[in-house]
Amino acid sequence: EVQLLESGGGLVQPGGSLRLSCAASGFTFTTYAMSWVRQAPGKGLEWVSAISYNGGDTYYADSVKGRFTISRDNSKNTVFLQMNSLRAEDTAVYYCAMNWNLDHWGQGTLVTVSS
Amino acid sequence: DVVMTQSPLSLPVTLGQPASISCRSSQSLVYSDGNTYLNWFQQRPGQSPRRLIYKVSNRDSGVPDRFSGSGSGTDFTLKISRVEAEDVGVYYCMQGSHWLRTFGQGTKVEIK
Repeated sequence: EVQLLESGGGLVQPGGSLRLSCAASGFTFTTYAMSWVRQAPGKGLEWVSAISYNGGDTYYADSVKGRFTISRDNSKNTVFLQMNSLRAEDTAVYYCAMNWNLDHWGQGTLVTVSS
Repeated sequence: DVVMTQSPLSLPVTLGQPASISCRSSQSLVYSDGNTYLNWFQQRPGQSPRRLIYKVSNRDSGVPDRFSGSGSGTDFTLKISRVEAEDVGVYYCMQGSHWLRTFGQGTKVEIK
């Protein structure tokens, strides 16, 4: 059974940083791309970023490009999202998802950017 | 970016009756490999989203056969043949043929 467990969310001040992690199990992590999607309170889904199976290719939404960095550690079956220069509009539940087309999703971790 | 437009945004339905959601893309979703990467997701209240349909019409494992997807090019549809209480939630289409990935606004399905 595929399991994706996000962690690292919390309250951060505007301009601050957070690093999200997503621990994966139940599938061969090293052969799949991974993605991050977010959902602001009461709003719809917004795709954020994705990374290829070996980390060689990365993609970002325009809204986070230059501030967020996706990476992965295949030895630990974990994907990361480093978030810098955070803004109030980055407040959302952040979901980790398997593959380019979001085959399976985690339970999400809440990031709140507020002073 | 490819804009995904869903309609309706709110869909009150009677239990046991059919429901249909439309999703239109601003560009063709036919990818260079010949596949069309159009996905449908369901988000029940208080839950994470889950994928129901991939590549237009393929049901994910465990998805009831009352859910079906169809369409081509820029025009797609999700149908529920007979709505059940557990189908309440928000449904999103998402294109996976272009970078960047984009979602529709979501369609809220509720019971009348």
